[in-house]
Amino acid sequence: GQSLEQPSEVTAVEGAIVQINCTYQTSGFYGLSWYQQHDGGAPTFLSYNALDGLEETGRFSSFLSRSDSYGYLLLQELQMKDSASYFCAVLLRGIGNNRKLIWGLGTSLAVNP
Amino acid sequence: NAGVTQTPKFRVLKTGQSMTLLCAQDMNHEYMYWYRQDPGMGLRLIHYSVGEGTTAKGEVPDGYNVSRLKKQNFLLGLESAAPSQTSVYFCASSYRGGLQPQHFGDGTRLSIL
Repeated sequence: GQSLEQPSEVTAVEGAIVQINCTYQTSGFYGLSWYQQHDGGAPTFLSYNALDGLEETGRFSSFLSRSDSYGYLLLQELQMKDSASYFCAVLLRGIGNNRKLIWGLGTSLAVNP
Repeated sequence: NAGVTQTPKFRVLKTGQSMTLLCAQDMNHEYMYWYRQDPGMGLRLIHYSVGEGTTAKGEVPDGYNVSRLKKQNFLLGLESAAPSQTSVYFCASSYRGGLQPQHFGDGTRLSIL
C-alpha cells in the first residue's frame, strides 16, 4: 500500500525556525510538493522537489531524500501570518502514462507571539 | 487577475437534488482538477482533465460526473446528492501535470441535508 505521514500539529514562536516532516511509503515515486492553506482559504503552492536536496524560496525551504523516503519543509523567521496548514503531496506513477498526486492530511502550524 | 473562479461559493441542497459546480480559469492551463476536502483530511481528487474534451477518474469519483467542453471550464455534477457529499470542493488548474504548481479556486462549501 501507499502511505504518507506528516505531524498533525506543530507549535512555534515568532521569529523561530520550524521543520515539518513528511515521510512516505510508496511505489513509483516522482517527487514531492508542499502547499499552504489558511483557515477557510484555498491551498497555495509553496515548492516542489523532484531531485534530492534543498530547494530554497525566500523564508521557506524544502528538502527531499529519496533514499530515506523523507522530505521536509523548513520555515525560517516565523511570522504570525505563517499560522496555517501545510500539506505535503507526493507524485506517483498511475495507470498507463498518467501520474497522480496524493496528498497528506496536513500539519496545522500555530505561531505564537 | 481572476485565476481560478468557482461558482457558487455556498450551496445547501436536499438529498436527491442535483447541481453543477462551475470552475473557470483564465490562465490557459491544460490540466484541471476537482478535489473535495473534509475535516481532518487532506485533499482527495474526484476527477481531473488533461485537456479540452478529456476527463479521467481520480481517487473518489463515485457519485460525481464532470465535463470539459471548453479549455477554460471544468464542470462538476452531482446527479443525486447524498449527505456524504457534504464537503468543501476545490477546483484547481495547472499548466501541465506532474509537479507543476496547481492554482486553486476559493472553494465551494456544499451542505446536503
